[in-house]
Amino acid sequence: DAGVIQSPRHEVTEMGQEVTLRCKPISGHDYLFWYRQTMMRGLELLIYFNNNVPIDDSGMPEDRFSAKMPNASFSTLKIQPSEPRDSAVYFCASSLTVIEGEQFFGPGTRLTVL
Amino acid sequence: SQKIEQNSEALNIQEGKTATLTCNYTNYSPAYLQWYRQDPGRGPVFLLLIRENEKEKRKERLKVTFDTTLKQSLFHITASQPADSATYLCAPAHTGGFKTIFGAGTRLFVKA
Repeated sequence: DAGVIQSPRHEVTEMGQEVTLRCKPISGHDYLFWYRQTMMRGLELLIYFNNNVPIDDSGMPEDRFSAKMPNASFSTLKIQPSEPRDSAVYFCASSLTVIEGEQFFGPGTRLTVL
Repeated sequence: SQKIEQNSEALNIQEGKTATLTCNYTNYSPAYLQWYRQDPGRGPVFLLLIRENEKEKRKERLKVTFDTTLKQSLFHITASQPADSATYLCAPAHTGGFKTIFGAGTRLFVKA
């Protein structure tokens, strides 16, 4: 398996624009996680899915952020409208289980909002 | 609120020495704790998991301890090598184990 795939790897956009980040988890993994990493706040869990259903979105910072998982092999994280403070590296991870589950991370998307 | 603390300052050690990284947590009791390694520009990679009923876990040159009384985990790398230079993140399980919370990480530099 190719591992967790994320696209794009880098995104530069202007404030107010819509941003869509994409993730393909490892085949067979039932859990998918979206994280955001910044120097100030470290690695924060935004939302996670189980079998395509959002389970916990308490980490989503505000209504400008939304995430979907239309099928087992694809998820998106959307920011609309984007703001400079959204600049961060966004990681997607997947795992077989959630309790004691090893998480496999993608390479991340570095988002810069000007 | 639940809090995880790792050495905020970078740890610099000489090749061949043992590196010891600390993870302290407060206001909760995780059933298990994971350690991850993160290299610049990459996502974290899982290293080890230790459960609350396990005092110590080993994997090759890595050793992790878990002291639920002190609310602390120690991560040791013996015979360290320059290739061990990275950021190490501890991730105690959230109550109920349904998600993990990551510490800010400790940057380790191993000098040849």
